[in-house]
Amino acid sequence: DTEVTQTPKHLVMGMTNKKSLKCEQHMGHRAMYWYKQKAKKPPELMFVYSYEKLSINESVPSRFSPECPNSSLLNLHLHALQPEDSALYLCASSQDSRGNYGYTFGSGTRLTVV
Amino acid sequence: GIQVEQSPPDLILQEGANSTLRCNFSDSVNNLQWFHQNPWGQLINLFYIPSGTKQNGRLSATTVATERYSLLYISSSQTTDSGVYFCAVYLGYGNKLVFGAGTILRVKS
Repeated sequence: DTEVTQTPKHLVMGMTNKKSLKCEQHMGHRAMYWYKQKAKKPPELMFVYSYEKLSINESVPSRFSPECPNSSLLNLHLHALQPEDSALYLCASSQDSRGNYGYTFGSGTRLTVV
Repeated sequence: GIQVEQSPPDLILQEGANSTLRCNFSDSVNNLQWFHQNPWGQLINLFYIPSGTKQNGRLSATTVATERYSLLYISSSQTTDSGVYFCAVYLGYGNKLVFGAGTILRVKS
């Protein structure tokens, strides 16, 4: 299995809702990442988990809360989002936190906040 | 911070044509990848190429790390090659993958 699987593919949520994005990989990768991508822009790093511990938080607002329950799973909990948070959220994994052998990305969750 | 510059920003090709995309980076990097993002948003890994040359079918890539650039060659382009091509570099410090702004490629039939 050489894939990163993200669910759901599309999500529409109100500003008072709580929702979660899920990401799963079974490649034995020990580093996992959340990226945010706005239209016509490159992906921007949000969080890095290395060996199930949060190692980087790129000053992301607290309404985004990551969680890594085990080495295969990565969640992103969403609460009280704003319309400007609408974007494509991409999950990625790599064999180690040094980026050796490259990154594998999921197909993303397209989030719309109304 | 490191600058990753891609050129050209936009490219329109007739089906069957060849093209070269360029990625310049301003500092030493540990690793470099080329990705293709299709119209549905999927980021597909094309090459992991910190140095040297690799080929995969109609695509090939070359990275000259000492001169801080990488090139992606697309030969005999097809309409399915359309999308955005990103170069991304891995910084040893900061432990992060940094993307260039991308090249938007449109292949017309």
